[in-house]
Amino acid sequence: ETGVTQTPRHLVMGMTNKKSLKCEQHLGHNAMYWYKQSAKKPLELMFVYSLEERVENNSVPSRFSPECPNSSHLFLHLHTLQPEDSALYLCASSQGLTNGQPQHFGDGTRLSIL
Amino acid sequence: GDSVTQMEGPVTLSEEAFLTINCTYTATGYPSLFWYVQYPGEGLQLLLKATKADDKGSNKGFEATYRKETTSFHLEKGSVQVSDSAVYFCALSDSGGSNYKLTFGKGTLLTVNP
Repeated sequence: ETGVTQTPRHLVMGMTNKKSLKCEQHLGHNAMYWYKQSAKKPLELMFVYSLEERVENNSVPSRFSPECPNSSHLFLHLHTLQPEDSALYLCASSQGLTNGQPQHFGDGTRLSIL
Repeated sequence: GDSVTQMEGPVTLSEEAFLTINCTYTATGYPSLFWYVQYPGEGLQLLLKATKADDKGSNKGFEATYRKETTSFHLEKGSVQVSDSAVYFCALSDSGGSNYKLTFGKGTLLTVNP
């Protein structure tokens, strides 16, 4: 039990579908993150939220749309994705946005685009 | 910019062997250093961290020492177990503006055989 729960664990979707990934953290943290993990590439930071405000959008295409309704929940809305978007999407949280704060990760959503 | 370089592996060891996974970094400020572990089908878990030079992080028999003079943070374990089979990531967060950002290495796959 990591304290960060992601649903669904696996998702298969066509390029024209709309779906959403959900992340919930039970750690009382104030910051939440989305990462993309592709084979043989370093983890890519996508978005960062602090106290429901977006503080980072790391040049992510607009077909990925994040939403943070409160400090415990984070969503990633997906629309018109491409095959190269197939990857493991990881959510993380941390107490705050300071150097040395460890991030706590969920188990990820494995996304496959047909 | 910041970067982390770690041996890519894969590394295959027999049970009770000694483990070293090398990690070196470049950073513009005064980084904190981390090792994360990812077991099959799971997200990343913080294994250990060090926040200043000469600090030693340790957990579950793993150790790493923050060496500023060699810009290194090598992971070691004296006697590995089959259950240690996983992917290990070295990471840093730098001081300065976006100090919450984790810069990851590409990961090292460790397989321990009985």
